[in-house]
Amino acid sequence: AQTVTQSQPEMSVQEAETVTLSCTYDTSESNYYLFWYKQPPSRQMILVIRQEAYKQQNATENRFSVNFQKAAKSFSLKISDSQLGDTAMYFCAFMKNPGNEKLTFGTGTRLTIIP
Amino acid sequence: KAGVTQTPRYLIKTRGQQVTLSCSPISGHRSVSWYQQTPGQGLQFLFEYFSETQRNKGNFPGRFSGRQFSNSRSEMNVSTLELGDSALYLCASSTELRDGYTFGSGTRLTVV
Repeated sequence: AQTVTQSQPEMSVQEAETVTLSCTYDTSESNYYLFWYKQPPSRQMILVIRQEAYKQQNATENRFSVNFQKAAKSFSLKISDSQLGDTAMYFCAFMKNPGNEKLTFGTGTRLTIIP
Repeated sequence: KAGVTQTPRYLIKTRGQQVTLSCSPISGHRSVSWYQQTPGQGLQFLFEYFSETQRNKGNFPGRFSGRQFSNSRSEMNVSTLELGDSALYLCASSTELRDGYTFGSGTRLTVV
């Protein structure tokens, strides 16, 4: 079974600064997807970024980027130029590929951007 | 295009009752999954449907069931509600590639 660990329950950072959220996972699979989801107070889980394990290049989406270390089973999220709207719970998630339809989530990191 | 729509947004039920939650996926998405989110257990997978067939099921009692219709809309049902069933129930849909899921805003169920 896969496990996902987020060791930072809460973080806060000043607006416009850079913050990195940590995620480690454990799996015996060689092919899988990793995701970061954001859940603001509106409750909707919003996909922030996705990484395919077979791709060595780290995924980037505007101000969001990941540091994917496959051997270390680490998948951290970096948010640059943080904005007030980035305040939310952030969940790291794992999904086997192919053939498995289940997302395994970490416990989340509550991120607060301070004006 | 429209996102994943879940109804109702909020629901209050009494212990022992049953409840049905609805999820309309993004147009063209044939895979629908359900998750339960609680402060204590976090996000847990309930089940996944694809083309009206349940393809995967999480570790929940038989009181939790679901179905998917030919238009890909899905419902989940919880019978004989218990206080511990109070949670946010999230629905997510995906294309047949199942390479990522789009979530709805959830249904907040409170059992009293």
